[in-house]
Amino acid sequence: QKEVEQNSGPLSVPEGAIASLNCTYSDRGSQSFFWYRQYSGKSPELIMSIYSNGDKEDGRFTAQLNKASQYVSLLIRDSQPSDSATYLCVVNNPNYGNNRLAFGKGNQVVVIP
Amino acid sequence: DTAVSQTPKYLVTQMGNDKSIKCEQNLGHDTMYWYKQDSKKFLKIMFSYNNKELIINETVPNRFSPKSPDKAHLNLHINSLELGDSAVYFCASSQGRGAGGRVYNSPLHFGNGTRLTVT
Repeated sequence: QKEVEQNSGPLSVPEGAIASLNCTYSDRGSQSFFWYRQYSGKSPELIMSIYSNGDKEDGRFTAQLNKASQYVSLLIRDSQPSDSATYLCVVNNPNYGNNRLAFGKGNQVVVIP
Repeated sequence: DTAVSQTPKYLVTQMGNDKSIKCEQNLGHDTMYWYKQDSKKFLKIMFSYNNKELIINETVPNRFSPKSPDKAHLNLHINSLELGDSAVYFCASSQGRGAGGRVYNSPLHFGNGTRLTVT
């Protein structure tokens, strides 16, 4: 089982709709969870971090964490064309003894005007 | 005032050559990384240094050698380049150790990447 798994295939959403991205992880000891956005040809940039169960909102973004079910999700409300990018789910497990991060393969989001 | 800067941005070279990529961060972070992103866009860690000490060394060919002269710099030297080395290489940094001596679980700040093409 891969450490971090994300839904396959691009996600197409109409402008103004909600984009929902899901991510599951394999290690129950994981403590820190991040969502990065990567535009084509650019470097990943952090958009959300979450460390405890529940929801965390930041502007149009909401991260949801459920450690019991080992999943973390990202909602993008009122999707804009500028949200078209690849979203990477990243999970950190301090039990490795160092700051080793596991990256998902990414979800491509395409917002259709 | 770039936080994490790496050079060069593009690197085109022939098989068998030796090349280096440089990275510098001015965030005061203790930990720096090299990641490789292949054609399938999958990001994979190669190395990590915490305050000049190597702490992560994934299964990477010996042709790749990181060097950290100080905690603000982490360079990557690649010997005998091969076609399969073509990828985008990202440098990153994060905050250092937290309570209990464990490396703090802080997010990464990435450089703009170096696109390496081996012909």
